[in-house]
Amino acid sequence: GAVVSQHPSRVICKSGTSVKIECRSLDFQATTMFWYRQFPKQSLMLMATSNEGSKATYEQGVEKDKFLINHASLTLSTLTVTSAHPEDSSFYICSARTPTGNQPQHFGDGTRLSIL
Amino acid sequence: GDSVTQMEGPVTLSEEAFLTINCTYTATGYPSLFWYVQYPGEGLQLLLKATKADDKGSNKGFEATYRKETTSFHLEKGSVQVSDSAVYFCALVGAGGTSYGKLTFGQGTILTVHP
Repeated sequence: GAVVSQHPSRVICKSGTSVKIECRSLDFQATTMFWYRQFPKQSLMLMATSNEGSKATYEQGVEKDKFLINHASLTLSTLTVTSAHPEDSSFYICSARTPTGNQPQHFGDGTRLSIL
Repeated sequence: GDSVTQMEGPVTLSEEAFLTINCTYTATGYPSLFWYVQYPGEGLQLLLKATKADDKGSNKGFEATYRKETTSFHLEKGSVQVSDSAVYFCALVGAGGTSYGKLTFGQGTILTVHP
């Protein structure tokens, strides 16, 4: 079945560093990918919808200049956390949807980001 | 907007016990409904889905039926195993308008199964 690969799985870095997370659809073309953030023991919160070839759509309260999204091809979306601070530490998960109708989204394994 | 409400957790059961995790939703039209499972330290895996009223999704012994009249999609399993310990998320994908294609998650239910 469809598979989504997310990389890296874990990042530990110093405050002020920018961190890039990649999300790839491995055997299908994903015109739309989604980025979620999950705090400990909480549900996933949608951050933004990434559309291939156009600007991402951000949810209310998400800083677009802080969380840069690039969806440059039909199989790759990237999330860059710019000038990361400890409050950005979280579990970030991407998902991709096959183009046909309301099919389930396939999720990557997540990236655990820890900012020291 | 769309919303999903799951029963409060955590849920603790003994092996071979019967499991029910309640899920109700609010949405316009006919959303698609899903259960996802998240094992410790991992991403989400699709457990089962139902795309129209009265559909029953099933996988790995888990079942859930799309009930339009009660706007519910309760997850059940007749005999749980220790390996079923995880967080379970009920979710829907909006059917139209600004909700189309967007996943809305419930808050998640932590399930712990003891031997």
